[in-house]
Amino acid sequence: EADIYQTPRYLVIGTGKKITLECSQTMGHDKMYWYQQDPGMELHLIHYSYGVNSTEKGDLSSESTVSRIRTEHFPLTLESARPSHTSQYLCASSESGALTGGEQFFGPGTRLTVL
Amino acid sequence: GQNIDQPTEMTATEGAIVQINCTYQTSGFNGLFWYQQHAGEAPTFLSYNVLDGLEEKGRFSSFLSRSKGYSYLLLKELQMKDSASYLCAGERQTGANNLFFGTGTRLTVIP
Repeated sequence: EADIYQTPRYLVIGTGKKITLECSQTMGHDKMYWYQQDPGMELHLIHYSYGVNSTEKGDLSSESTVSRIRTEHFPLTLESARPSHTSQYLCASSESGALTGGEQFFGPGTRLTVL
Repeated sequence: GQNIDQPTEMTATEGAIVQINCTYQTSGFNGLFWYQQHAGEAPTFLSYNVLDGLEEKGRFSSFLSRSKGYSYLLLKELQMKDSASYLCAGERQTGANNLFFGTGTRLTVIP
């Protein structure tokens, strides 16, 4: 069983609020990812990290930002939430050193609703 | 560019065999993943193909043809719990092994 955790699981918040979605993994994985998924739609990569102090933008442009100060922790922040940010956010990690076929382990997701 | 196509929905009968196809166009990728995602849950890994051919793992098998840009997931002896979305994902040739996903195929298993 994968040891990757996300909090909160559900969040309903008003427009303009600052929020941070937490993601932690205890597997020692260097690579971590954030995806956004709307109901019935594909996962879109919004951020990823090769390791500590590494952050990269993904395929889908996002107003969110991420940080990677510790290997196990990869939080995502929205400075000012808007209704268009309503979605499910999934965090994932994969094994260090895998050149190919690095299985990504997913957290349970945070379902964000911005009113 | 990178694009993945899968059927949106499929229905099959308990105990039967179902094949879920995936075609892709990409300028370069390492291999192809299949993930299972139950409604409201996170995706879980099913299989990975980097070489052409069939990979068998219990009731699930996955096939890849790189020259044809084609993969399929074969599910045998279907069970009700197999009702889920099945996501085809290509692995990019980047150091972070980024994945690009299709929309997924929602499989409904009926008695």
